[in-house]
Amino acid sequence: SQQGEEDPQALSIQEGENATMNCSYKTSINNLQWYRQNSGRGLVHLILIRSNEREKHSGRLRVTLDTSKKSSSLLITASRAADTASYFCATVFGNEKLTFGTGTRLTIIP
Amino acid sequence: NAGVMQNPRHLVRRRGQEARLRCSPMKGHSHVYWYRQLPEEGLKFMVYLQKENIIDESGMPKERFSAEFPKEGPSILRIQQVVRGDSAAYFCASSPLGGELFFGEGSRLTVL
Repeated sequence: SQQGEEDPQALSIQEGENATMNCSYKTSINNLQWYRQNSGRGLVHLILIRSNEREKHSGRLRVTLDTSKKSSSLLITASRAADTASYFCATVFGNEKLTFGTGTRLTIIP
Repeated sequence: NAGVMQNPRHLVRRRGQEARLRCSPMKGHSHVYWYRQLPEEGLKFMVYLQKENIIDESGMPKERFSAEFPKEGPSILRIQQVVRGDSAAYFCASSPLGGELFFGEGSRLTVL
């Protein structure tokens, strides 16, 4: 299975601090994507990083990709209460099927 | 441009009944994906379709589950003779080829 594994499974931090989540996967990829899911809602795409990229930024988000270690990290800087959600990495390989990890549940404490 | 529309949002069925979940992709998207999510878990891939074509159904249970994406109308995920273990949130997503996925809000199936 190519399913990603996020680490940690759950993370609680104070508002204003930075949050870092990690994702590991098993096989070659075309790209890796991060999604956010608020409780009871659908997933929202955050950022896509291609296999030939090493780092990408979007607002307060920073994503890194290390294909030699088959891992990625998502950094959320200056966290806000609204960042409380579950975060999933997803990998794309072959016929563009997206395979999701198990997620990190992030709680921002006001 | 409306997002991915799923209905019903909530569906309650008794064991042995049929469940039909519908998904209308975003305008211009010809690729539809169905995922299942159990409480506190990640999304499990079920099936990937293009118009009138099943591209990858490797995540679909061999029995009772079927999916279609006809030339006209929404994609349908059909579950026959539902059992309690089918209770889950079913998410549909659409995309242009190779890009990010846009998700609907999900259909939550409860089997009594």
